[in-house]
Amino acid sequence: SQTIHQWPATLVQPVGSPLSLECTVEGTSNPNLYWYRQAAGRGLQLLFYSVGIGQISSEVPQNLSASRPQDRQFILSSKKLLLSDSGFYLCAWNRVTGWRTDTQYFGPGTRLTVL
Amino acid sequence: AQSVTQPDIHITVSEGASLELRCNYSYGATPYLFWYVQSPGQGLQLLLKYFSGDTLVQGIKGFEAEFKRSQSSFNLRKPSVHWSDAAEYFCAVGARDMRFGAGTRLTVKP
Repeated sequence: SQTIHQWPATLVQPVGSPLSLECTVEGTSNPNLYWYRQAAGRGLQLLFYSVGIGQISSEVPQNLSASRPQDRQFILSSKKLLLSDSGFYLCAWNRVTGWRTDTQYFGPGTRLTVL
Repeated sequence: AQSVTQPDIHITVSEGASLELRCNYSYGATPYLFWYVQSPGQGLQLLLKYFSGDTLVQGIKGFEAEFKRSQSSFNLRKPSVHWSDAAEYFCAVGARDMRFGAGTRLTVKP
């Protein structure tokens, strides 16, 4: 069966510090990978998605970036965090199935607090 | 592009009462439709999904949803709510990409 991991579970960082969040998927190959952010009391905002190694699409311009160095690894980074980067970050994966987007499976999330 | 509307931001029901959460979508063809649940501080868990066929879909935890093409709706229902159902519920539409509704927060009164 497939599992998705996110690390770390919680993180408290000062403004201006760098960020690296990691997401790994097990039990599948060549998944689509996604990074979402949830601000407090808000819905899901898609940040990045990737259909393959080195292929990253950005949905929202911001000071965050994403990379996919391996097939099942997706990393979210920032060189300098802003207060507005605080939130709950979710990684998700799914399979490519035709013209419609299939079920996305979510990781447990990372709670980021920027002080 | 598709869009999803969850008209109710917050719903409160008594334990044991029935529940219906509304979801409306906009898309030219029939997309995939999903309901997810999120407990505080956790990721989203898939409750059920509609791809094709029978318009009444059964999911986990006693939930069901009905796809109504004429109304572009995919409402989630449960006949008897339990205190553990208190959570945030998200409807989603899968077409060229996945779009999520803003969510409905469910509070269950004892």
